[in-house]
Amino acid sequence: RKEVEQDPGPFNVPEGATVAFNCTYSNSASQSFFWYRQDCRKEPKLLMSVYSSGNEDGRFTAQLNRASQYISLLIRDSKLSDSATYLCVVFPARRDDKIIFGKGTRLHILP
Amino acid sequence: DTAVSQTPKYLVTQMGNDKSIKCEQNLGHDTMYWYKQDSKKFLKIMFSYNNKELIINETVPNRFSPKSPDKAHLNLHINSLELGDSAVYFCASSPQNTEAFFGQGTRLTVV
Repeated sequence: RKEVEQDPGPFNVPEGATVAFNCTYSNSASQSFFWYRQDCRKEPKLLMSVYSSGNEDGRFTAQLNRASQYISLLIRDSKLSDSATYLCVVFPARRDDKIIFGKGTRLHILP
Repeated sequence: DTAVSQTPKYLVTQMGNDKSIKCEQNLGHDTMYWYKQDSKKFLKIMFSYNNKELIINETVPNRFSPKSPDKAHLNLHINSLELGDSAVYFCASSPQNTEAFFGQGTRLTVV
């Protein structure tokens, strides 16, 4: 299994639809998990943290399943401005282990 | 105030030249990173420093040399630039193994 794996997409969904991304990780000792968003020709920016108990921020819900080693991101009522690449990020337990970025999932919201 | 700032934003240079990219963060974070994002948009860590100490040194040609004069700065010097070095280079910082904050990126083009 790759360290962090995401479906690259692109996901083309109509405005207003609900879209879900999954991400799997291989290191069971990983400590922290995040979703980042990257717009074209811009830097990645933190979207939200991911917890086992689930984390909701407006239209966005993130979930962590440690047993199955995957994290998910759900976007409800999608907007045109949600079009971007969504990166799954896994932080290690040890300081000298590297942060792993997934390759990202491209999302296109269609008017 | 820009939290993580890197300069220059764009860099076009000839093969064989030596160039530097500077990065500064005013967030008081202990850890700083350099990432390379290639044409396939894959974000890959190059180096990680914690309090001026090199923590992670991925398999990067030794033409790339990071320098951290203090914990707020992490500069990247590249010798004998090659065509394959063309990419976007992102500096980032984070507190102790939590979310990372990125600079705007330096788009390096080697011709």
